[in-house]
Amino acid sequence: SSELTQDPAVSVALGQTVRITCQGDSLRSYYASWYQQRPGQAPVLVIYPKNNRPSGIPDRFSGSSSGDTASLTIGGAQAEDEADYYCASRYNNGNHWLFGGGTKLAVL
Amino acid sequence: VQLQESGPGLVKPSETLSLTCTVSGGSVSSEIYYWSWIRQTPGKGLEWIGYFYHGRTNYHPSLKSRVTISLDTSKNLFSLNLNSLTTADTAVYYCSSLMFRDAHSWFDPWGQGILVTVSS
Repeated sequence: SSELTQDPAVSVALGQTVRITCQGDSLRSYYASWYQQRPGQAPVLVIYPKNNRPSGIPDRFSGSSSGDTASLTIGGAQAEDEADYYCASRYNNGNHWLFGGGTKLAVL
Repeated sequence: VQLQESGPGLVKPSETLSLTCTVSGGSVSSEIYYWSWIRQTPGKGLEWIGYFYHGRTNYHPSLKSRVTISLDTSKNLFSLNLNSLTTADTAVYYCSSLMFRDAHSWFDPWGQGILVTVSS
C-alpha cells in the first residue's frame, strides 16, 4: 500500500505508557517522522529519523520501527500530551512524501 | 529558522492562490533546506504539496499541473501559486522545511499556518 495507516483514536490513563503505530510499505525503506498537533496549532516535530528527539521534546517521547510499522511511544503520558499525532514518510519511489491519517490521543 | 505564511484568506473558484512564506533566522538560499508547502483539510488530512531546492522543484503528482513553488532571495521568502482553484482546495496551508539525513527525511520547522477558503 502507498498509504500510511494510523488508528484514528487512542486513549491512555494519566501517567501510563501509550504506543501509537503507523503502518505502510514505505516504512520498510524509509524511517518515519512524527508530529504532534494541538488544537488550533501547527504540527510540531517530536521524532525524526532515525528515532531521534529534537531539542525541547521531553524524553518520554520515543520512536521505534520494525518491518512496515513505525511506533511512537509516550512513557508516562501527561495531560499536555493530549493532541493529534501524525506520522510521515517518503513514498516507496522516494520522490514524494505522505502523511498518516492521524491518531487522536486522549489522556484520561 | 522561523517561518511565517501570509496571503489572502478568501479566494474565488477558478482563481489563483498566491501565498508567501517569510524566512527568519536563516537564509532562503541555504543548501540545507528543501522549502516546502503542506496543506491540511478535514477530509484528506495532511497533504504534501511540493518543495523547491536549488532551482529544482518537486510536486505532488495530483497537484503538479496546477502548482508552482518559487524563491525570492531578495526578500528571503518562498512562495506557492496554485491555480484553477476549487472548493476542494480549501485548507490550512503550512510552509515548512524538508530536512534530510541520508535517505530519510522530516519536516521542521513549520509555519503557524494560514486558512484559505475557496468560495464565491
